[in-house]
Amino acid sequence: GAGVSQSPSNKVTEKGKDVELRCDPISGHTALYWYRQSLGQGLEFLIYFQGNSAPDKSGLPSDRFSAERTGGSVSTLTIQRTQQEDSAVYLCASSLQAGGETQYFGPGTRLLVL
Amino acid sequence: GESVGLHLPTLSVQEGDNSIINCAYSNSASDYFIWYKQESGKGPQFIIDIRSNMDKRQGQRVTVLLNKTVKHLSLQIAATQPGDSAVYFCAEWDRAGTALIFGKGTTLSVSS
Repeated sequence: GAGVSQSPSNKVTEKGKDVELRCDPISGHTALYWYRQSLGQGLEFLIYFQGNSAPDKSGLPSDRFSAERTGGSVSTLTIQRTQQEDSAVYLCASSLQAGGETQYFGPGTRLLVL
Repeated sequence: GESVGLHLPTLSVQEGDNSIINCAYSNSASDYFIWYKQESGKGPQFIIDIRSNMDKRQGQRVTVLLNKTVKHLSLQIAATQPGDSAVYFCAEWDRAGTALIFGKGTTLSVSS
């Protein structure tokens, strides 16, 4: 596609449930990034992939968060046992390669945990 | 620590005015800065970037100024239009050069 796409666009879940968020980067972009944006806040970096590997997972808020990327393309961010504080917009971005390249963002997934 | 902040959370201007949005950063080693525009319900959209070997860069109706001495960045929008209404974020690379660090944003409101 022409840009980064994310699905679902909105997700409402109950506390304690697991959710999976998906990101399709721009074709040819080897780097992929996940950010979280809480209401009225800036973006908080979570994790990035160069190819299929994630060199640094320290940005993930807790061990309930995990991410994977297969085939150097699609990535999924999984949140297990969701909590109300996980409610936020989860944004995905991609760039040609990691480090020093402009990141292009998708529209985000709005997650609401009741 | 690394942080990127904006001087004002909101800015209201009249259509046709010039807008200036400011940003202060803390990492003196940062060499690349980006301005993003985020409209309601959308992801951030790249506007313009600047590297530390420059102090000014111009785009279409936008200019970014970088003052490394005081670690200050600004975005100037000429002849502001209602479609410019959005939240504007400045961002810099983290020390590893992989993740972007964003400020909290300035909400620009343009009235006709």
